[in-house]
Amino acid sequence: KAGVTQTPRYLIKTRGQQVTLSCSPISGHRSVSWYQQTPGQGLQFLFEYFSETQRNKGNFPGRFSGRQFSNSRSEMNVSTLELGDSALYLCASSLVPDRGNYGYTFGSGTRLTVV
Amino acid sequence: GNSVTQMEGPVTLSEEAFLTINCTYTATGYPSLFWYVQYPGEGLQLLLKATKADDKGSNKGFEATYRKETTSFHLEKGSVQVSDSAVYFCALSDEGAGSYQLTFGKGTKLSVIP
Repeated sequence: KAGVTQTPRYLIKTRGQQVTLSCSPISGHRSVSWYQQTPGQGLQFLFEYFSETQRNKGNFPGRFSGRQFSNSRSEMNVSTLELGDSALYLCASSLVPDRGNYGYTFGSGTRLTVV
Repeated sequence: GNSVTQMEGPVTLSEEAFLTINCTYTATGYPSLFWYVQYPGEGLQLLLKATKADDKGSNKGFEATYRKETTSFHLEKGSVQVSDSAVYFCALSDEGAGSYQLTFGKGTKLSVIP
């Protein structure tokens, strides 16, 4: 079956612009989480969504937002881009929010470069 | 809060050598523990997991045992191959603020030379 699909794979944006990233979870998965990966900070939790509701948000400014649609697909948006937003953004899906019994499957990520 | 500490890399080993990557954690609750692997240009792949104390996770020759008394989850493999070269992340999942977010270590880069 198809895995977690993230689009686009690569993106170059200018400071001050905004960007929208997309994540399509594995069919049947209803929980989607987003993570930011940078060389300095490592992997940091951004958001978790389940049944179109945001269950939690990590320690990121309000410029970072997201949503989940009724088909479980999710988008995240970053407004007023800064150079420090350059990162690999990873999406993970699970059947339901899970402490480990089902596990999370990650996509290949979107590489965002802000210039 | 939750945190994961894993040994700094990079780690360079010869093929067929024994691998250990240390991982310790701090958690407010009773977490599940994971090892993820990341190959160049790719996302994270779940390598193995353990959801309760004394559980041993294993996959592809890798093993790790959930040690509650030492709050550790060290990754081991008896004989590494060149294809094992990747970055390895230790992580925990614990319900906090209403979600099971993953908390990751900084990652350990492993290079295996023929």
